[in-house]
Amino acid sequence: NAGVTQTPKFQVLKTGQSMTLQCAQDMNHEYMSWYRQDPGMGLRLIHYSVGAGITDQGEVPNGYNVSRSTTEDFPLRLLSAAPSQTSVYFCASSYSRWNSFEQYFGPGTRLTVT
Amino acid sequence: KQEVTQIPAALSVPEGENLVLNCSFTDSAIYNLQWFRQDPGKGLTSLLLIQSSQREQTSGRLNASLDKSSGRSTLYIAASQPGDSATYLCAVRRGGNQGGKLIFGQGTELSVKP
Repeated sequence: NAGVTQTPKFQVLKTGQSMTLQCAQDMNHEYMSWYRQDPGMGLRLIHYSVGAGITDQGEVPNGYNVSRSTTEDFPLRLLSAAPSQTSVYFCASSYSRWNSFEQYFGPGTRLTVT
Repeated sequence: KQEVTQIPAALSVPEGENLVLNCSFTDSAIYNLQWFRQDPGKGLTSLLLIQSSQREQTSGRLNASLDKSSGRSTLYIAASQPGDSATYLCAVRRGGNQGGKLIFGQGTELSVKP
């Protein structure tokens, strides 16, 4: 298994540009999430999904959209990038088998908005 | 609102020392608690997952305990090694139906000196 994969690893955007961060998992996990990690703020939940076709907002959803058309993929869209969205973005997945919900993380995407 | 705190923010110890990392949370109604390790510039690696009904979990030189009533968890590292140097994060999950939602502490940065 490749686990949780994210592309790209690094990205530089200009203010106002849009882009999609890709996330995929091959573990057949129902749950997928997006977090951002900022110095002094820790990891904060942006959006999450409990299954294909079902998404919900986390703690810091503004400026981001998600959709989940398949179990495997959970892309994060930045609609109009702002410098405040400069961060490291992590995608994660988890499963409910044995009521565990142990969460597995991807390697991250480092985004800079100028 | 659930808040997770990790103290100290940074810790430096000589190789071979046993050490304890602390995690506290304000709402004891948690489903489980997960400890992660993060190396610089990398993603999060799951170390231990403790269900709310459990008191501790062990993996190799690591032992994590959970005291829900007092809102505390500790991660004990035995015979520390320079390779243990990393940031250690704890995160709590509220309910089983919120499998994709973790609330993180800000981490303890551990440095083990040879």
